Amino acid sequence: GAGVSQSPRYKVAKRGQDVALRCDPISGHVSLFWYQQALGQGPEFLTYFQNEAQLDKSGLPSDRFFAERPEGSVSTLKIQRTQQEDSAVYLCASSRKIDSLYGYTFGSGTRLTVV
Amino acid sequence: GESVGLHLPTLSVQEGDNSIINCAYSNSASDYFIWYKQESGKGPQFIIDIRSNMDKRQGQRVTVLLNKTVKHLSLQIAATQPGDSAVYFCAEILTSGTYKYIFGTGTRLKVLA
Repeated sequence: GAGVSQSPRYKVAKRGQDVALRCDPISGHVSLFWYQQALGQGPEFLTYFQNEAQLDKSGLPSDRFFAERPEGSVSTLKIQRTQQEDSAVYLCASSRKIDSLYGYTFGSGTRLTVV
Repeated sequence: GESVGLHLPTLSVQEGDNSIINCAYSNSASDYFIWYKQESGKGPQFIIDIRSNMDKRQGQRVTVLLNKTVKHLSLQIAATQPGDSAVYFCAEILTSGTYKYIFGTGTRLKVLA
C-alpha cells in the first residue's frame, strides 16, 4: 500500500486479556519501529527491527510486551495480561533505509483502551 | 523514556501571522533532529529536519533553528494557515545508535480565523 497500515484502529481489552496489534509497513521498507504514545504525550520508543532481526527492544516496558517480524515485512506487537497503564496509542513506523536519516513514515496507530 | 507533562502547552496564533514553536532536547550527543506535525487521530508527519552541523534550515513556509549551546530547537511557520493547526513535536536522534527517535514535549498550535 501507499502508507503504513495498522490494525485494528481501535481495541478495547478487559484487564488481563492478551492483545495483538498488527503493522503492515510500506512494501520494501527495511526498518520498522514501534512507539507507544500516552494521551497528551510524545511517542516513546518501544522496539526496532531491521528486516526480521529485532535489533533494539530496550523500550519495551515489561516482559508482557513482545514484538515480532518473522518474514521482514508485517510486524505484530503482542501485549499479554493487559493492565490499565497499557492504555495508549501504539504507533508503527517504517523506513526504506537502514539509517532512517530522512524521517520515517508513521501509521495512524492503534488506540488501545484497557478497562 | 522522556518525562512529559499531561497537558500540552498551547500556542494560539492569528491566521496569517508567523508562529514560533520551541523545543528543548536532552542529549548533547544527538546529531540529527526532526520536527513532526500530528493531527488528531493520525500518526506524526515529517515536516523538516536538520543535522547538528547546521544551525538553520529552510523549507516551504517553515524554518528550523538549532542552538546546540543551549540544546534548543525552534520551528518557525510563516503565514500560519488553519491547516497548520495540530500538535508539533521535535525529535532528536543519535545516529550512531539504532536511529530511535526521542520525542520532546509537544506543543498544540491553534490557528485563529
